[in-house]
Amino acid sequence: EPEVTQTPSHQVTQMGQEVILRCVPISNHLYFYWYRQILGQKVEFLVSFYNNEISEKSEIFDDQFSVERPDGSNFTLKIRSTKLEDSAMYFCASSGAGVRTDTQYFGPGTRLTVL
Amino acid sequence: GNSVTQMEGPVTLSEEAFLTINCTYTATGYPSLFWYVQYPGEGLQLLLKATKADDKGSNKGFEATYRKETTSFHLEKGSVQVSDSAVYFCALRRDDKIIFGKGTRLHILP
Repeated sequence: EPEVTQTPSHQVTQMGQEVILRCVPISNHLYFYWYRQILGQKVEFLVSFYNNEISEKSEIFDDQFSVERPDGSNFTLKIRSTKLEDSAMYFCASSGAGVRTDTQYFGPGTRLTVL
Repeated sequence: GNSVTQMEGPVTLSEEAFLTINCTYTATGYPSLFWYVQYPGEGLQLLLKATKADDKGSNKGFEATYRKETTSFHLEKGSVQVSDSAVYFCALRRDDKIIFGKGTRLHILP
């Protein structure tokens, strides 16, 4: 069964450093998403991406964050200057196969630890 | 606004017990509703969904019915197993995003 994959599974970085989290969505999907889950809290929507542009973003997704689909398979989340409060599990998701569908399929997550 | 409220955990049951995890939602219109499950050390997996009122989603012995009149989507299973131990998230879809509840941790004792 096709699945969303994410790398790395765990990333440790120093405050102020840039990080790039990588995702490979399901191959025929057209809609891509990032969510995060701070330890012990809700899973929160960050951003959605379609047709090479952001379609919706949350208040969390400020100028420190950016997303990109650099090629036909990868979808990345960049945090330019990490803060302690960026420590969280980051989930990538994808949906759709030609038409917009409800079901979003999630990857296993990347745990980001900012020291 | 749009939100999901689910029962606080943890919930601890013995194997073969009946499970109910309550979930209610607040939303305009009739959003699609979901239950996701997160097993220890893993990501979020879709467990079941319902897209309109009175729909029943089911998977792996779990069921949930979309109740418009009570704005609820309670998760049930007739006989739980140790392998069902996980965190369960009720969620709704509004536009591009999935809005999650806080999650309910379920422990099943052998």
